[in-house]
Amino acid sequence: NAGVTQTPKFQVLKTGQSMTLQCAQDMNHEYMSWYRQDPGMGLRLIHYSVGAGITDQGEVPNGYNVSRSTTEDFPLRLLSAAPSQTSVYFCASTRGGSTDTQYFGPGTRLTVL
Amino acid sequence: EDKVVQSPLSLVVHEGDTVTLNCSYEVTNFRSLLWYKQEKKAPTFLFMLTSSGIEKKSGRLSSILDKKELFSILNITATQTGDSAVYLCAVGNTGTASKLTFGTGTRLQVTL
Repeated sequence: NAGVTQTPKFQVLKTGQSMTLQCAQDMNHEYMSWYRQDPGMGLRLIHYSVGAGITDQGEVPNGYNVSRSTTEDFPLRLLSAAPSQTSVYFCASTRGGSTDTQYFGPGTRLTVL
Repeated sequence: EDKVVQSPLSLVVHEGDTVTLNCSYEVTNFRSLLWYKQEKKAPTFLFMLTSSGIEKKSGRLSSILDKKELFSILNITATQTGDSAVYLCAVGNTGTASKLTFGTGTRLQVTL
């Protein structure tokens, strides 16, 4: 199994541009999440999904959209990039049920100029 | 709103020392507490503690959960330079498995 994969690894955007961060998992996990990690602030939840077709907002959802058309994929869209969105983005998945253990992808480092 | 506080923010120890990392939490309807290790890249899972499993051990690492006092500790004995990392604590509530609340982490540096 590849686990959780993310693309791209690095990205530089200009203010106002849009882009999609890709996330996929091959573990047949129901639950998937997107986090951002900023210095001194830990991991903060952006959006999450409890299954195909079901998404919800986390702690810091503004400026981001998600969709979950399949169990495997959970893309994160930046609608109009802002410098405040410069961060490292992690996607994670978990089987759910009685376990909360989340498995993380390698991350995407995004810089918005 | 769920809250996780880790201490200390950072510490430097010598190889061979024993360290204790702290995690206190406030969470509605507690379900689990997790510890992760983060080196340069993605967090990797260490332990999950729940009401039915309040103590875990793996090699030189061990963790306990005190549900009454709402805290957990992560112990690392005989530290090695490879233990240098940020250690993250997270809590889950009974709402959904996707909604973990993370602390800001403790940065551990192990020197020779």
